[in-house]
Amino acid sequence: QVQLQESGPGLVKPSETLSLTCSVSGGSITGYYWSWIRQPPGKGLEWIGYTFYIGSTNYNPSLKSRLNISMDTSKNQFSLELSSVTAADTAVYYCARRYCIGVNCFVDYWGRGTLVTVSS
Amino acid sequence: DIQMTQSPSSLSASVGDRVSITCRASQSVSNFLNWYQLKPGKVPKLLIFAASSLQIGVSSRFSGSGSGTDFTLTISSLQPEDFATYYCQQSYGNPYTFGQGTNLEIK
Repeated sequence: QVQLQESGPGLVKPSETLSLTCSVSGGSITGYYWSWIRQPPGKGLEWIGYTFYIGSTNYNPSLKSRLNISMDTSKNQFSLELSSVTAADTAVYYCARRYCIGVNCFVDYWGRGTLVTVSS
Repeated sequence: DIQMTQSPSSLSASVGDRVSITCRASQSVSNFLNWYQLKPGKVPKLLIFAASSLQIGVSSRFSGSGSGTDFTLTISSLQPEDFATYYCQQSYGNPYTFGQGTNLEIK
């Protein structure tokens, strides 16, 4: 059973960089797409982007200029970096696995989520 | 971005009821439509993928239907553990987008 666990600071100052790591257990990250999704308080879910183990990425255009998603296959982890954060980036951040059957893709494994607050 | 609109936003129902949640896309997404269940403090759960395919391990009281722009998630007989928030998500266009959620509460 694949399990994901987010880790990182729960409080980030405005204009700084938000950094989170997702540790994957129960399976290798090699060969799969790994994603980040967020949910601001009281709002719906927002797709952030995903990365593939060979290094390719796909980012939400609204975040692309500030975003970096990377993988460390030696640690079975992947990471999110979001720069120049503002209060609008306050959210519960989920790491997740994007899986595809043919051309149909979906998220089949999620982490429990971690709240990141942007405040001075 | 493709806009996803769910209705209703909230729903009160009783154990044993049959309920349906609808999701409408701003343009055709073919059958690239998934449904998720979220509960506070719990790991989110994939229920339905490709509009109507039941994820392994998910109860058969959940079913999905639709194609193009209009989709429905139906729960045939509500159980206590089904009270949660449900989201649709399209995986046709980039970026993937979600509906605003439907909060299913106990009546």
